[in-house]
Amino acid sequence: QKEVEQNSGPLSVPEGAIASLNCTYSDRVSQSFFWYRQYSGKSPELIMSIYSNGDKEDGRFTAQLNKASQYVSLLIRDSQPSDSATYLCAAGEPGGFKTIFGAGTRLFVKA
Amino acid sequence: NAGVTQTPKFQVLKTGQSMTLQCAQDMNHNSMYWYRQDPGMGLRLIYYSASEGTTDKGEVPNGYNVSRLNKREFSLRLESAAPSQTSVYFCASSAGTTTTDTQYFGPGTRLTVL
Repeated sequence: QKEVEQNSGPLSVPEGAIASLNCTYSDRVSQSFFWYRQYSGKSPELIMSIYSNGDKEDGRFTAQLNKASQYVSLLIRDSQPSDSATYLCAAGEPGGFKTIFGAGTRLFVKA
Repeated sequence: NAGVTQTPKFQVLKTGQSMTLQCAQDMNHNSMYWYRQDPGMGLRLIYYSASEGTTDKGEVPNGYNVSRLNKREFSLRLESAAPSQTSVYFCASSAGTTTTDTQYFGPGTRLTVL
């Protein structure tokens, strides 16, 4: 069964630090990867998508993809208390319609 | 532009009761999805629809039926609710029909089955 695995956390970082969130996926042929942020009691919203090996930066967020290691990460620079949320990693099934979501990593940013 | 809307927001059912969860999107998206989210587990796909009149089973379709009434609306029906169906249900939509597209989620329906 195709899986996306994340450390459930909680990951606690001080305000202003870099938060590093990691994810591994089992389907070697997956080609599209996503990070969604979900605040408690709310719905997921997209933070980043990445499709090629390497880094992709958007403001304080950097997504990193290593297909050889089947590894995706999300770095949050200058973490703010408002970044406290659960971060869901997801991998899209190539040629299909299913996106497999990890269970999420809870992040706490301490003021 | 409301995005993806869902009704109801909360629902309590007794075992054996039926209900329909409604979802609508105003983004002219082709694909629509129903997920359930349980504590400690990722979002799990119940059903998917690529267009009006077409649906595909996801990972956990048992106990559910869906209907894609038109391009905007995608409903999820529980014919005989069971306690194992207690969950948060999210509807989502995406512009295209591939997994490279961003999915936009509705606010969710919190369902409790007693």
